[in-house]
Amino acid sequence: DARVTQTPRDKVTEMGQEVTMRCQPILGHNTVFWYRQTMMQGLELLAYFRNRAPLDDSGMPKDRFSAEMPDATLATLKIQPSEPRDSAVYFCASGLGQGLAFFGQGTRLTVV
Amino acid sequence: QKEVEQDPGPLSVPEGAIVSLNCTYSNSAFQYFMWYRQYSRKGPELLMYTYSSGNKEDGRFTAQVDKSSKYISLFIRDSQPSDSATYLCAMSEFGANNLFFGTGTRLTVIP
Repeated sequence: DARVTQTPRDKVTEMGQEVTMRCQPILGHNTVFWYRQTMMQGLELLAYFRNRAPLDDSGMPKDRFSAEMPDATLATLKIQPSEPRDSAVYFCASGLGQGLAFFGQGTRLTVV
Repeated sequence: QKEVEQDPGPLSVPEGAIVSLNCTYSNSAFQYFMWYRQYSRKGPELLMYTYSSGNKEDGRFTAQVDKSSKYISLFIRDSQPSDSATYLCAMSEFGANNLFFGTGTRLTVIP
């Protein structure tokens, strides 16, 4: 059963702490996306990779967010330092291009 | 103006009704059109995928794309309480990777 796996599912942290979210894309998929979902803004694209190379990270606040793909089976999204306004659900998705993307179950982040 | 506009609802219908969900868009370069279903506290699940204009049917679901009007629709026939979810439209350009999402329409089917 191929699926995108995200960890952790839930994270509560204090303001100023570092947060790392992990994603295992579907095997063989060459495109990986990071999205953030809030009630106010809906789904916002933060960054995406193709063949592990970052193609677009214009949606990320560069001073505190970073996204990497150390290998084809792992994508990470880090926030340092975290702020209350970062509270949201963060989704990873993977695909093969042509508009297709398959989402993980998300990481629900709460920064207090 | 956002590239993809979607009425957020909420939309409530009785079980068995036909549901119509719609999105409009402004970018004429969009070629791939998707509908995702998202249950509460879950990730979006790909429901329908179409390329260019036309209709696509899958069981009780029909997706329509009218590129001349920049308008896409999702129809749900014989709606069931299990269809209660948020439905998001998404679009992409040919050769591009990123998707542009609507804000989602929250649907409730009442037994």
